[in-house]
Amino acid sequence: QKEVEQNSGPLSVPEGAIASLNCTYSDRGSQSFFWYRQYSGKSPELIMSIYSNGDKEDGRFTAQLNKASQYVSLLIRDSQPSDSATYLCAVTEGTYKYIFGTGTRLKVLA
Amino acid sequence: DAGVTQSPTHLIKTRGQQVTLRCSPKSGHDTVSWYQQALGQGPQFIFQYYEEEERQRGNFPDRFSGHQFPNYSSELNVNALLLGDSALYLCASSWGRLYAGGYEQYFGPGTRLTVT
Repeated sequence: QKEVEQNSGPLSVPEGAIASLNCTYSDRGSQSFFWYRQYSGKSPELIMSIYSNGDKEDGRFTAQLNKASQYVSLLIRDSQPSDSATYLCAVTEGTYKYIFGTGTRLKVLA
Repeated sequence: DAGVTQSPTHLIKTRGQQVTLRCSPKSGHDTVSWYQQALGQGPQFIFQYYEEEERQRGNFPDRFSGHQFPNYSSELNVNALLLGDSALYLCASSWGRLYAGGYEQYFGPGTRLTVT
């Protein structure tokens, strides 16, 4: 059974700080990696996708991928209270199937 | 640009009954995936439909079945409902061909199913 592991949190950071969210995965064959944000009672919203080793930046968000270590992370710069949500890491198994972690709950303190 | 839509929003059913959930993909997308999300868990992949065929399936029993129509919309059917089927059912749409290295999936608002 392929697995995606995330710390459930909550991860608490002060407003304006950098939030660092981490994810490890078990399937060495995984090729695509995604971060979703999910507010309480809502559906997941795609934040970032990353397919190659290294960093990918989009606004205040940076995704980092290290396939050798089977590790993917998400950095949120200048964290805002509106960033408070659960962040889900998803990894592909095969070509089409997403495997999700259980999510990390982020709390940004004003 | 119309996003992914799902109906109904909420549903209450009794054990043993059958349910049908519906999904219309985002404009321009031709692939629909269905997920089950229990409280406090990440979404679990049920199956994916592309070109009206089930392309891949997760570890769900045959009580879970689906269909995709020529307009790319999709239905999820669950027979013989169990209490454990209570969850948020999510539909995600994507473009069926590889794009920029992957298949980005976009979720609809979900259907909250409660089985009593």
